[in-house]
Amino acid sequence: DTGVSQDPRHKITKRGQNVTFRCDPISEHNRLYWYRQTLGQGPEFLTYFQNEAQLEKSRLLSDRFSAERPKGSFSTLEIQRTEQGDSAMYLCASSLAAGDWEQFFGPGTRLTVL
Amino acid sequence: GDSVTQMEGPVTLSEEAFLTINCTYTATGYPSLFWYVQYPGEGLQLLLKATKADDKGSNKGFEATYRKETTSFHLEKGSVQVSDSAVYFCALSDLWGGSEKLVFGKGTKLTVNP
Repeated sequence: DTGVSQDPRHKITKRGQNVTFRCDPISEHNRLYWYRQTLGQGPEFLTYFQNEAQLEKSRLLSDRFSAERPKGSFSTLEIQRTEQGDSAMYLCASSLAAGDWEQFFGPGTRLTVL
Repeated sequence: GDSVTQMEGPVTLSEEAFLTINCTYTATGYPSLFWYVQYPGEGLQLLLKATKADDKGSNKGFEATYRKETTSFHLEKGSVQVSDSAVYFCALSDLWGGSEKLVFGKGTKLTVNP
């Protein structure tokens, strides 16, 4: 078990560019979650998947944000036309839809929009 | 909506001191409660949890009791160590209300000096 992995760990981009992040969950986990954490704040929920189905989306997920989990394994989060306010740590977590539902977090992708 | 309020930091203690970090919540349903910890340079890790009233979660010497009457879940440790220096997040999840998302407080940074 290698845990939840995220790629890249750091991304610096210019305003207006598109960025895509990848999350690989723990292999047997069927639930996958995305959160965003800004400096000095707790993580805020963005969206989650069960297998390939996106079951819930936060109002924080504007139309510039899209998330996919095409085969129920890894997930991607894309931000189009990035803005400086998108600068944050993007966290991915996964869990089993059974047992104690514990969410295991990855190390995060830190996005800086210049 | 659901929310979590935890005491503002930072908190600075000497080794072997007693720790309390206050956490209160607002929820429409019957949430499960969690404490997560983020050590420097690492991802979020579940520290302890409680799923019903009067349950006590415990791990690594930390404890928290689910108090429904006061809507609280305060974190305590009798004798802190330098290695406990981290950011602590209180969180809730309203699984029984059909939402798996975690709602986090803003976090409390703890520094323990030798």
